[in-house]
Amino acid sequence: AAGVIQSPRHLIKEKRETATLKCYPIPRHDTVYWYQQGPGQDPQFLISFYEKMQSDKGSIPDRFSAQQFSDYHSELNMSSLELGDSALYFCASSLVDSSTTGAKNIQYFGAGTRLSVL
Amino acid sequence: KNEVEQSPQNLTAQEGEFITINCSYSVGISALHWLQQHPGGGIVSLFMLSSGKKKHGRLIATINIQEKHSSLHITASHPRDSAVYICAVRYNNDMRFGAGTRLTVKP
Repeated sequence: AAGVIQSPRHLIKEKRETATLKCYPIPRHDTVYWYQQGPGQDPQFLISFYEKMQSDKGSIPDRFSAQQFSDYHSELNMSSLELGDSALYFCASSLVDSSTTGAKNIQYFGAGTRLSVL
Repeated sequence: KNEVEQSPQNLTAQEGEFITINCSYSVGISALHWLQQHPGGGIVSLFMLSSGKKKHGRLIATINIQEKHSSLHITASHPRDSAVYICAVRYNNDMRFGAGTRLTVKP
């Protein structure tokens, strides 16, 4: 079965450069989530999109922006990169399940993009 | 009868007051959105809910699936919260919108 695909797997950038991370959700999933996991830290929720609209916002810096496109893939754009942005960036996707009362919202995670800022 | 009903239609509050906007719906939904539209501005999605409660800053959204009801709360309201707040529900791969609540917060 198809999973969540993230690209690139690894990315090396220098300070003040920009980076774009891509996420391709599981086919027919309508929601995408972005998480950041720093070295030795728990994942932190950044932002999510549902049906191409921003649905939730977490601790995403103003230097970062994201969007979900008509084909449901999402891109996380990061500008003015700082050393502290070095982390593993996970994308997850889900499909709101309307078949039960109290919809389920299981998230399936990609393998992540490891960003190193030098 | 509209499938999505919001109340009140208009709400005026003093800065600092606790605000509640209600949304009731009559169809089986897969998700509920709270949206915000400032005068002359685009629409921003504040929350997407399928169950329970979510909080972001001074905003809290709750949903009761059994009662088909959701509330949007604004704590410590501020004049910049003045906007139209819209409840939208998704069912059968379609969206239905409430008529909106026009909130005015006075300093």
